[in-house]
Amino acid sequence: SQTIHQWPATLVQPVGSPLSLECTVEGTSNPNLYWYRQAAGRGLQLLFYSVGIGQISSEVPQNLSASRPQDRQFILSSKKLLLSDSGFYLCAWSLYRDRAHFGPGTRLTVT
Amino acid sequence: EDQVTQSPEALRLQEGESSSLNCSYTVSGLRGLFWYRQDPGKGPEFLFTLYSAGEEKEKERLKATLTKKESFLHITAPKPEDSATYLCAVQANSNSGYALNFGKGTSLLVTP
Repeated sequence: SQTIHQWPATLVQPVGSPLSLECTVEGTSNPNLYWYRQAAGRGLQLLFYSVGIGQISSEVPQNLSASRPQDRQFILSSKKLLLSDSGFYLCAWSLYRDRAHFGPGTRLTVT
Repeated sequence: EDQVTQSPEALRLQEGESSSLNCSYTVSGLRGLFWYRQDPGKGPEFLFTLYSAGEEKEKERLKATLTKKESFLHITAPKPEDSATYLCAVQANSNSGYALNFGKGTSLLVTP
């Protein structure tokens, strides 16, 4: 069966510090991978998606970046965090047009 | 631009009191409409996918329906464990990578 892991589960970081969130998927090959952010009152916002290794598409201009160094690994990064980067970050995977499977999420608080 | 609007934003029901949640959408070619359930502090959990107008899906006390402009999630005789946020999402022809475009959700509270 397929599983998706995200870490860390919670993170408190000061403004201006770097960020690295990791997501890994088990039990499937060549999935589409997604990073979403959920902020209070705004719903789930798509940040990045990837259809293959090294292929990253950005949906929202921001100070975040994503990378996919391996088929089932997706990393979200920032060189300098802003207060507005606080939120609940969710990684998800899907196969073609099938449903998205979400990870447990990372709660990020920027202070 | 594709839009997904859910109503109401919040709903409080007594146990056993049936109701419906609404999801209206505007997309340039619908591939699929998805319903998810999200508990506080957790990732969304998949409930249903609907692909064409007139389609219906059921699971326990939940039933999802789809028209050309909206979808309904009917909750029959809800129990307190049905309390959660229900999210609607569309997958449109304009969504690259098969990404989902979500509404803001309906927060449901079912009291004993």
